[in-house]
Amino acid sequence: QSALTQPASVSGSPGQSITISCTGTSSDVGGSKYVSWYQQHPGKGPKLMIYDVTYRPPGVSNRFSASKSGNTASLTISGLQAEDEADYYCSAYTSSSTLVFGGGTKVTVL
Amino acid sequence: EVQLVESGGGVVEPGGSLRLSCAASGFTFSDYAMAWVRQAPGKGLEWVSAILGSGSNTYYADSVKGRFTISRDNSRNTVFLQMNSLRAEDTALYYCAKDHGILVAATFNYWGQGTLVTVSS
Repeated sequence: QSALTQPASVSGSPGQSITISCTGTSSDVGGSKYVSWYQQHPGKGPKLMIYDVTYRPPGVSNRFSASKSGNTASLTISGLQAEDEADYYCSAYTSSSTLVFGGGTKVTVL
Repeated sequence: EVQLVESGGGVVEPGGSLRLSCAASGFTFSDYAMAWVRQAPGKGLEWVSAILGSGSNTYYADSVKGRFTISRDNSRNTVFLQMNSLRAEDTALYYCAKDHGILVAATFNYWGQGTLVTVSS
């Protein structure tokens, strides 16, 4: 149950687009339709941003989009805004019926 | 409105035990899988355990297997985490989370505020 690999930090200027990668194996990201992304602001609980690889829950901005290729999932934030500054975590359901999170990525809006 | 309220955290010595509870409301509790996810101070999220709606299927991270037990009481809309043989590395904020779907415990659309567990002598 090794954590999925995410970059420690990603930054961008307001209005720009950024992409966060999440790399696992064929036993988790590559083989799962249950890949999710969470946003967490300091001192707050996580918020679901993407589920089932590409789907946005109601109320989540369409500036957030996601995809998967092989063992790597990606989250893209378009039109970066100050409120997007937060930690982002990916997760994937594994072939062992467990869940694994990524190490987290700190997004900084310059 | 969905609400998840955790309780039971506290300070415990290494080797000790704690029982966390999560009281749920605002949805048909028995229909959904529930999970515990923890976050050590300044660290990332770590999935701990999950239980399906009926309570018949439970799942654990390797780091807690054999020491923690998840259970639920659907008549009381509550999920529990019994934590035994606690270690310093179990120190974390423990979140209760509701799954978005029914079949698996893989996607959490609601989270509690967390309850802090500190393991220290």
